Amino acid sequence: GQQVMQIPQYQHVQEGEDFTTYCNSSTTLSNIQWYKQRPGGHPVFLIQLVKSGEVKKQKRLTFQFGEAKKNSSLHITATQTTDVGTYFCAAPLYDKLTFGTGTRLQVTL
Amino acid sequence: DAGVTQSPTHLIKTRGQHVTLRCSPISGHKSVSWYQQVLGQGPQFIFQYYEKEERGRGNFPDRFSARQFPNYSSELNVNALLLGDSALYLCASSLGGTETQYFGPGTRLLVL
Repeated sequence: GQQVMQIPQYQHVQEGEDFTTYCNSSTTLSNIQWYKQRPGGHPVFLIQLVKSGEVKKQKRLTFQFGEAKKNSSLHITATQTTDVGTYFCAAPLYDKLTFGTGTRLQVTL
Repeated sequence: DAGVTQSPTHLIKTRGQHVTLRCSPISGHKSVSWYQQVLGQGPQFIFQYYEKEERGRGNFPDRFSARQFPNYSSELNVNALLLGDSALYLCASSLGGTETQYFGPGTRLLVL
């Protein structure tokens, strides 16, 4: 079963509102990756975090890796309709890349 | 440069049949991984091949098999198809191991 959990499963926001998805593991992670999958599409790599407490930004997206390297978050500021999709975190567990359950983001005008 | 390609894009099969899915990685990538994605869930790891050798296998039955060719392309075979095998099958290439995965468009398999 899934060993990397994400919350929430689904979030619906108005354009311009912020959005955050959280990723949690019971295991200390060597790194964490984030992917975005548009409806009907395939996962596309966004970023990888490696260091404890690391914070990376990509325009309106801010990614954080927890101090204990067991959790991570993705925050989107001022969402746009182009942000619609499912966001997955993924981490190497037992030499296999394990994907989280995903958070589906819906943005309406 | 071409990305990861997969064929076919869509496939309809009946229970008990077998299927072969194909994947060509990004040029220079020696690792190919296969994932199954059921609607509403995250990709589930099936296999990883690196330099033509199996490097990892997920929790899937022996009906699932794969191989990697000298040119690093790969095939995923599924025998004795079940209704529950209906899913999006994703191929991803990488430089190796659990590094950044570059996904292909996937093959949508429907088993009737």
